[in-house]
Amino acid sequence: LAKTTQPISMDSYEGQEVNITCSHNNIATNDYITWYQQFPSQGPRFIIQGYKTKVTNEVASLFIPADRKSSTLSLPRVSLSDTAVYYCLVGDLYNNNDMRFGAGTRLTVKP
Amino acid sequence: DTGVSQDPRHKITKRGQNVTFRCDPISEHNRLYWYRQTLGQGPEFLTYFQNEAQLEKSRLLSDRFSAERPKGSFSTLEIQRTEQGDSAMYLCASSSQTGPTSQYNEQFFGPGTRLTVL
Repeated sequence: LAKTTQPISMDSYEGQEVNITCSHNNIATNDYITWYQQFPSQGPRFIIQGYKTKVTNEVASLFIPADRKSSTLSLPRVSLSDTAVYYCLVGDLYNNNDMRFGAGTRLTVKP
Repeated sequence: DTGVSQDPRHKITKRGQNVTFRCDPISEHNRLYWYRQTLGQGPEFLTYFQNEAQLEKSRLLSDRFSAERPKGSFSTLEIQRTEQGDSAMYLCASSSQTGPTSQYNEQFFGPGTRLTVL
């Protein structure tokens, strides 16, 4: 399983765009990149997933360069309710039964 | 509510006692996972079921831990002879994997059971 590295914490202000980058230098050919969000006292929640280039859904965008050794989660116009821990995971979808969560990035959105 | 549910939400026990947690996954999901999370850390994988079969177990799952999913629906996680180091949040998740053409293994997590061992 590919090891991931993320910043421990980030601060932002309401209305700003937040970009959280994850490094995964030893990503394998069959690996996908998945991001989860976790609020205090709750289980993680799936945000977005991708393999290459760019993926966008109603809450976030995921940018993956051609070499796939990193990825960037982009949250447009954050609000206070986006304060949470964000986890980047890399693994083989079809055999991704052992999801390795790191310590994640603690995002704090300030008014 | 058709999400993943866990019971109890909180459990306080004394060292040496046995505890059992229950997880009810989303009904159509055939995969079920257990994780443990301690303060400030991400969830750590413990074990995984596909239907009633336990297919993977982490080395974190010592012989004091046992998990079952008898009918491929709900699951239980039992910890025998609890130790203070077992204090953590125990998370259950479920997913639906329909086969090689499925693009996502999105796991839906329950609210967790917070265990405190005194």
